[in-house]
Amino acid sequence: TAGITQAPTSQILAAGRSMTLRCTQDMRHNAMYWYRQDLGLGLRLIHYSNTAGTTGKGEVPDGYSVSRANTDDFPLTLASAVPSQTSVYFCASSEEGLQPQHFGDGTRLSIL
Amino acid sequence: AQKVTQAQTEISVVEKEDVTLDCVYETRDTTYYLFWYKQPPSGELVFLIRRNSFDEQNEISGRYSWNFQKSTSSFNFTITASQVVDSAVYFCALSEANSNYQLIWGAGTKLIIKP
Repeated sequence: TAGITQAPTSQILAAGRSMTLRCTQDMRHNAMYWYRQDLGLGLRLIHYSNTAGTTGKGEVPDGYSVSRANTDDFPLTLASAVPSQTSVYFCASSEEGLQPQHFGDGTRLSIL
Repeated sequence: AQKVTQAQTEISVVEKEDVTLDCVYETRDTTYYLFWYKQPPSGELVFLIRRNSFDEQNEISGRYSWNFQKSTSSFNFTITASQVVDSAVYFCALSEANSNYQLIWGAGTKLIIKP
């Protein structure tokens, strides 16, 4: 089934460790996004990429980095995790910036 | 100031009742888009509708309908004859031309449909 695959599904991580959340899409969408979802705050954009080779900062980029080496993959890296990064992370993609975004199933990350 | 406000944190109704979820937005752009997404208990996010700022026609899709009113900056969502399967968190979101069309999300409304 076409769509977005996120891995891992969930993870418990010690503070100070690094972690990369993986996101792969097979829809050949140009735009990809990373959000975090926290209770009462909805979704907040961390980073985005309008096309392969380009990335941009969203609303809450600090502590996170991304890369977009090709169309399909958009990994999110936490270089040194902190407890405030405990959240559910969603990856999304769209054909272009205007189009509806399609979401992965999310990664539940707990930083202890 | 919040750009997308969903004032109803949680709504609980009995099955078959009609229910309206409110969404108020704030923007200075003349070109923008409004979205509704559904997040059922299983956690995935499901796209429901996109409406652009130049189209104020109301939309109906089965039991779902949307009322877009630029005069009050609102984009409300009504479920008619609600069903237990409608239980979910519903998000309204705004996409502005001057912000590279990045989605700005409301905090969501949790809808509980009781049998």
